[in-house]
Amino acid sequence: EVQLLESGGDLVQPGGSLRLSCSASGFIFSNYHRSWVRQAPGKGLEWVSSISGSGGGTYYADSVKGRFTISRDNSKNTLYLQMSSLRVEDTAVYYCATQGAQNYFDFWGQGVLVTVSS
Amino acid sequence: EIVLTQSPATLSLSPGERATLSCRASQSISSYLAWYQQKPGQAPRLLIYDASNRATGIPARFSGSGSGTDFTLTISSLEPEDFAVYYCQQRSNWPPYTFGQGTKLEI
Repeated sequence: EVQLLESGGDLVQPGGSLRLSCSASGFIFSNYHRSWVRQAPGKGLEWVSSISGSGGGTYYADSVKGRFTISRDNSKNTLYLQMSSLRVEDTAVYYCATQGAQNYFDFWGQGVLVTVSS
Repeated sequence: EIVLTQSPATLSLSPGERATLSCRASQSISSYLAWYQQKPGQAPRLLIYDASNRATGIPARFSGSGSGTDFTLTISSLEPEDFAVYYCQQRSNWPPYTFGQGTKLEI
């Protein structure tokens, strides 16, 4: 069974930093794009960032570009999101997701809450 | 950036009825559209990809259609577990991937 497990969510002050992790089990995702998608409280889904299977290609939403960095360690089957200069509007549940051959979000983690507040 | 507009925002139906949800793209996205279901407190689940293909394990009562700018998700006969929020998402022109704002299907 494929499982994605996020960790690292916390309460952080505006301007602070946080690193999220997403470990995968039950499948080797090294050939597939992996992504982060977030959902602010009571709101819809927003794509945040994606990374190619090799890690050589990284992509960001304009809202996080220059502040967030996505990376992966295929030897550990783990995805990361380094978040810095956090803003109140970054408050959300962050989901990791993996894209299959059709490049849609096939598998999702359970989500981790990031709260940015003073 | 491609904008996806879903309608209606809320759909009130009863079990056994047919549900029709719409998603309109701001420009043509061919058939590069997916539908997701999200229940409270849960992660989204992929239902349909490439406009009309059911994902693994998705019941046959879910079907998708459309191409270009207009897409439809149909649930032929609603089961109690189908009441949730549904999102469409495009991958035609990324980044960014974009989602619709969601349709809440309520009893």
